Amino acid sequence: KQEVTQIPAALSVPEGENLVLNCSFTDSAIYNLQWFRQDPGKGLTSLLLIQSSQREQTSGRLNASLDKSSGRSTLYIAASQPGDSATYLCAVRAGNQFYFGTGTSLTVIP
Amino acid sequence: GAGVSQTPSNKVTEKGKYVELRCDPISGHTALYWYRQSLGQGPEFLIYFQGTGAADDSGLPNDRFFAVRPEGSVSTLKIQRTERGDSAVYLCASSLLKLGSYEQYFGPGTRLTVT
Repeated sequence: KQEVTQIPAALSVPEGENLVLNCSFTDSAIYNLQWFRQDPGKGLTSLLLIQSSQREQTSGRLNASLDKSSGRSTLYIAASQPGDSATYLCAVRAGNQFYFGTGTSLTVIP
Repeated sequence: GAGVSQTPSNKVTEKGKYVELRCDPISGHTALYWYRQSLGQGPEFLIYFQGTGAADDSGLPNDRFFAVRPEGSVSTLKIQRTERGDSAVYLCASSLLKLGSYEQYFGPGTRLTVT
């Protein structure tokens, strides 16, 4: 069974810093990987989707990379802002199912 | 609609009762997923519909859980004889299977509390 791990579980940074969130998965046979953010008491908002044939995707201040062979993905956030504070989740699609990590709780301090 | 909607947003029920949770996906999305999320955890897959049929229901925890999608749009998750351990946020997501992309769009969830 696919297992997804996210490190660190929590992260606190001052405003303006660049940061990296990590996601690892145990089985490299994936179709794609998706990064989400979740605000307290809310649903998930899609940030970036990387197909298995791609190496990275970018959207604004966000850049996600995928190294399928090593079972790793990173989400890079540039020039962090207090509004970036949320829980960030990664999910991999294997077969019909998506497997989620437990998330990284990010706090950006003004 | 503009996004995935779920009703009710909150549901409190007594142990042993029956509940139904509704999901209205983005118009035109053929794939629909149900997840369950406990506090501090990532969403856990329950069931996946492709059109009207359940393509994968391997995540349903037991036979008290059942889901339908009779017309290939709205889906209902049904839980019989609820237990306190069923308390969680139930999330629904939909996808448009375009060019092999399975990008998921989530609803706000239904918070179920079993007392």
